[in-house]
Formats: sequence, structure tokens, C-alpha cells
Amino acid sequence: EAGVTQFPSHSVIEKGQTVTLRCDPISGHDNLYWYRRVMGKEIKFLLHFVKESKQDESGMPNNRFLAERTGGTYSTLKVQPAELEDSGVYFCASSQETLQFFGPGTRLTVL
Amino acid sequence: AQSVTQLGSHVSVSEGALVLLRCNYSSSVPPYLFWYVQYPNQGLQLLLKYTTGATLVKGINGFEAEFKKSETSFHLTKPSAHMSDAAEYFCAVSDSGGFKTIFGAGTRLFVKA
Repeated sequence: EAGVTQFPSHSVIEKGQTVTLRCDPISGHDNLYWYRRVMGKEIKFLLHFVKESKQDESGMPNNRFLAERTGGTYSTLKVQPAELEDSGVYFCASSQETLQFFGPGTRLTVL
Repeated sequence: AQSVTQLGSHVSVSEGALVLLRCNYSSSVPPYLFWYVQYPNQGLQLLLKYTTGATLVKGINGFEAEFKKSETSFHLTKPSAHMSDAAEYFCAVSDSGGFKTIFGAGTRLFVKA
């Protein structure tokens, strides 16, 4: 069974540009989560989807971040425009119940 | 609000020695507690979790953790370290729904030959 996949694995962009991260959850998992780890700090929750609905988006830092999950399958996280402090590793996870399975992350560098 | 504190950002042990990674949490509700491990260039992998019941939880790769409510701790141990245990370890807590997960800052474990 395929795990959670994320694309791209690395992204380097300039301040002000737009970047879109993609997450493909494990097939059949209704719950999908986004987390972020900024340089050396803790992994922070961003938001939680149940199917295509945002269940909890309390961790989204500001309105430059937009997450979607059309059709309840894969999800995208768009950062527009990107700022230097957005650099970090973005993790996606999915679950059917309480056990979350994590993807390898996307390392975003904003120059 | 829930929070997690991991004592020591780096821990170094010799191969064969005891591994002890410390974690304290705060939660206003009975928590779910987790330990995750991240090997280089890989995603987070669940080592073990506590939800209810027995307070000593056994996980994969010989790791175990004990939930101590009175101390609000969930320390991770392994009797004998292997070189392959070198990785970063994260303690985490979630509410009883098990959805929004709060992580500690992580502890990087080094194992010396």
C-alpha cells in the first residue's frame, strides 16, 4: 500500500513568488492534515480536512496560505506571496481514525 | 492549551547504552501521547502511542514509554542503543479526538560506536 506522498520534495523560490505544495494521502483516508516545521523549531499544526471540508484551520499563519482538497482526495497548499519566514519543511499526514501517517515533507526555501 | 516540552535538543549515547529521551506535556483533558521518529530524508514514523489503559507502552524497535499522569511525563526508553537508532525523535500530544497534534521541538539522538 502506498504511503502519503508529497510533491515536490524541495522547492526554492524568491520572496514574492507563489508556490504550491501537493499531498496525496493514503487511499481511503478521510482525514488529511498539514503541518510545518520552521528551522529547528517544533512541528506546528496548520489545518485538518475531513474529506473536502476544513475541520480545523486554527494553525494557518495568515491569509497568504490557502489549502484546498477538491473532491476529498489530494490536497494543495499554496503560499502567495511567499515571505522569508515561510521557509521550512511542510508535512502532510492522513488518517482514517486517530493514527496519522506522515509524508516525507516538502522542504521550502524562500530567498 | 496543550503543549509538549522535550528536554535536550541533542542526546548522545554509546552503542549498547540506555536511551532515555524526556518528554513532559500539559493538557487540560486526558491526552493521547505519541512518540515519532524521523530518519534522514524520510517522513515521521510512529514509534508508539498511549491512549488509555496500560501506562507502559511498548513500541517498535525495542522502544517503550511510560505515561505518568502525576508527573505529566511520557519519557521514551530503550535498554540498549543501536547505531540504527540515530535519528530525530518527537514527542506529541493530541486531544481525545486524536486529530490536531501538538509536537515537541524534537530530540536528535546520536549513537557512538
